Amino acid sequence: SQQGEEDPQALSIQEGENATMNCSYKTSINNLQWYRQNSGRGLVHLILIRSNEREKHSGRLRVTLDTSKKSSSLLITASRAADTASYFCATDATPQGAQKLVFGQGTRLTINP
Amino acid sequence: NAGVMQNPRHLVRRRGQEARLRCSPMKGHSHVYWYRQLPEEGLKFMVYLQKENIIDESGMPKERFSAEFPKEGPSILRIQQVVRGDSAAYFCASSPVSGADTQYFGPGTRLTVL
Repeated sequence: SQQGEEDPQALSIQEGENATMNCSYKTSINNLQWYRQNSGRGLVHLILIRSNEREKHSGRLRVTLDTSKKSSSLLITASRAADTASYFCATDATPQGAQKLVFGQGTRLTINP
Repeated sequence: NAGVMQNPRHLVRRRGQEARLRCSPMKGHSHVYWYRQLPEEGLKFMVYLQKENIIDESGMPKERFSAEFPKEGPSILRIQQVVRGDSAAYFCASSPVSGADTQYFGPGTRLTVL
């Protein structure tokens, strides 16, 4: 089964509201990354959080990591229509580092104007 | 610095034909990864290559699929005798060194098997 599982599978909010997406995983990891994918396009790397970090910020993005619960959350504040996309978490658990990323199923985020 | 390039962007094949997908990594990157994405799903790892070497092919189907990354030229993912179930988006990613944290993804090749 998938290493990472996101919830919710789909999220629809009004522009300006905050969006929170969660990711759970099963094994010990080196790091966890969040990617965005616009419909029919490639993946854009958003943020990486290492296993020894608990929180990280980048612009309107805030990521938390709880290794005891094997879970992470991505918060997008003050959402914009352009944030509409699918968001994936990906974990790297290989001993040597990023050789095999394991992706979750993704959360489809829709921002309504 | 151009990003990861993939071509073609869209590929249509009839059952039984061969599909060749190409990936040129970012300049200076010698590590290439291939992933497959089925509709409405996340990406699944297929294979990790360095120049002239396959490092990890644990995600590759045992038959009909092969990958290479020659000393010169792009990485190639080859699917022989395609079936309808091979229809998917195939993404390539690259990184500069082994153990690098971030993989940079190309735009993908969308394969449709008729």
